[in-house]
Amino acid sequence: DTAVSQTPKYLVTQMGNDKSIKCEQNLGHDTMYWYKQDSKKFLKIMFSYNNKELIINETVPNRFSPKSPDKAHLNLHINSLELGDSAVYFCASSQGTSRGVEQYFGPGTRLTVT
Amino acid sequence: DAKTTQPPSMDCAEGRAANLPCNHSTISGNEYVYWYRQIHSQGPQYIIHGLKNNETNEMASLIITEDRKSSTLILPHATLRDTAVYYCIVRVAWNTGNQFYFGTGTSLTVIP
Repeated sequence: DTAVSQTPKYLVTQMGNDKSIKCEQNLGHDTMYWYKQDSKKFLKIMFSYNNKELIINETVPNRFSPKSPDKAHLNLHINSLELGDSAVYFCASSQGTSRGVEQYFGPGTRLTVT
Repeated sequence: DAKTTQPPSMDCAEGRAANLPCNHSTISGNEYVYWYRQIHSQGPQYIIHGLKNNETNEMASLIITEDRKSSTLILPHATLRDTAVYYCIVRVAWNTGNQFYFGTGTSLTVIP
């Protein structure tokens, strides 16, 4: 009965590779997000999709490309991985985009680039 | 980029109330105060949020000062499972979306 799930939970890969992280939510929410948590514990938003449309695209290298095939899924594809991409990536979802809307987070994907 | 200030760490005895403070002196009139926590190796978990009035739910209470420049999260009877990092977040207003800038939070340790 996981609300927001991510796969894989751990991902170890070499520099230059291309990898994808998948996210699914079964809450019926219409908005999904990708966050990056770096080693300093700052959780910063990367992307947000509302009804499959991109609504937030922070200053993120264009090596990162989100894809939302439907409202319940938001995948993150990363090209030409770099050492600095090592972090924990969290997917989240919410119903609506206005203030006062709580977000539900997935368990995270720990990406290690060697 | 966080607009909140929290103490880096706190201890609390099991069964006692844990009071976690947060300063948000630049909060604007229509911004909410949210509290999330993150237990080691897990995703952030929503706790409570409020605008002006004090709020209470099954997890915690939120006390917001009248000038809204600070707030306190209260866990009434802390348990060992409440050991986590607690984040106080002010919602940033964007036209079409939301952003959460989590700062460094307060690491709460509940002691048996």
